[in-house]
Amino acid sequence: EDQVTQSPEALRLQEGESSSLNCSYTVSGLRGLFWYRQDPGKGPEFLFTLYSAGEEKEKERLKATLTKKESFLHITAPKPEDSATYLCAVHPTSGTYKYIFGTGTRLKVLA
Amino acid sequence: GAVVSQHPSWVICKSGTSVKIECRSLDFQATTMFWYRQFPKQSLMLMATSNEGSKATYEQGVEKDKFLINHASLTLSTLTVTSAHPEDSSFYICSARDSRGTDTQYFGPGTRLTVL
Repeated sequence: EDQVTQSPEALRLQEGESSSLNCSYTVSGLRGLFWYRQDPGKGPEFLFTLYSAGEEKEKERLKATLTKKESFLHITAPKPEDSATYLCAVHPTSGTYKYIFGTGTRLKVLA
Repeated sequence: GAVVSQHPSWVICKSGTSVKIECRSLDFQATTMFWYRQFPKQSLMLMATSNEGSKATYEQGVEKDKFLINHASLTLSTLTVTSAHPEDSSFYICSARDSRGTDTQYFGPGTRLTVL
């Protein structure tokens, strides 16, 4: 069964304290892996799409990487405005356009 | 690019009434749109897949007659919650699939529905 697991569930960082969020997935085939940021009371905001192992994408303080089993979202020198829930989603090669979402990591960055 | 809007952003209605939520892709065409429901501090729960010009595909456990979905054009999908009850109160979010090569889903800002 296709599955996506994110860890940790919640993370508190001091401003400037770099860390990584993990997204482990089990799918028969991968079309794409997506990272989103969601602020309270808002819809998810698209961050990155990764398609193949070894691929990396960067945007400001965020860097996403992909292996055959997991993806990491690295946050370098985070700021309080990076506080949000980060969602990982997988698009499997199952013949539909549906994503499988993880439960998210709630990140809190303290000033 | 890739902006999705939802209207209304919030709505309060009385039990037994129907509520319609619109989802629009503003700068791209979307043959496929999705409707999600999200409970507090939980992840997204897919309700249905909406395909332009055809019937929606509902996930298991979602009542088709309660949550009516129409995808009449390449930029608009609507979700109508019929005979709403307090247990239908939730945060409803739509997404539109960008078919221009990436298959990325772009999400709307969400609609907060409160049924009294």
